Amino acid sequence: EAQVTQNPRYLITVTGKKLTVTCSQNMNHEYMSWYRQDPGLGLRQIYYSMNVEVTDKGDVPEGYKVSRKEKRNFPLILESPSPNQTSLYFCASSSGQGFSGANVLTFGAGSRLTVL
Amino acid sequence: AQSVTQLGSHVSVSEGALVLLRCNYSSSVPPYLFWYVQYPNQGLQLLLKYTSAATLVKGINGFEAEFKKSETSFHLTKPSAHMSDAAEYFCAVSEIVTSYDKVIFGPGTSLSVIP
Repeated sequence: EAQVTQNPRYLITVTGKKLTVTCSQNMNHEYMSWYRQDPGLGLRQIYYSMNVEVTDKGDVPEGYKVSRKEKRNFPLILESPSPNQTSLYFCASSSGQGFSGANVLTFGAGSRLTVL
Repeated sequence: AQSVTQLGSHVSVSEGALVLLRCNYSSSVPPYLFWYVQYPNQGLQLLLKYTSAATLVKGINGFEAEFKKSETSFHLTKPSAHMSDAAEYFCAVSEIVTSYDKVIFGPGTSLSVIP
């Protein structure tokens, strides 16, 4: 089954304790992205990657890191989490690149993170 | 930069009634528009997309949306609501940034269906 898999689905941690949220897709997609979802704000892009070793900042990158060493994996790293990073996080991927405008995103099920 | 607004953060309809979820976008060029749905405890999935082929777009589960350029709108409708339609709905617009498509999401509308 074609899917984007995120882990963990739920996590409670404390301020300053480094954590990683993994994301893996089995569709050979070039493009991957991380979003955070907060009430009333919709989804905001954190980082994206157009291909292996190519990553760039989205709209809200502060406090996050990413890496893209393999095509299928795109982990999100919080080096020193803070309470304002409590949110619902989604990883997504897409087969398209370039100027088609019509690329559809496939989303993971989400990772709910609470930072105390 | 483009933006998306969704009128009404929460909409309630009775089962069998018309569903109308509003979406307006800002764009100076013909946009690509999407509606995604998020069921409880799940990720977003595509309902439908507009890519300039036809102004009335049909999606899954009986939903459709009409692109109106003069109103910069892309409202989502379904003639008869079902209990299973209760979910969060996101309108989105695709913006070309350098060499990839950036998708900008609206704030979302939570749909409740009353039996």
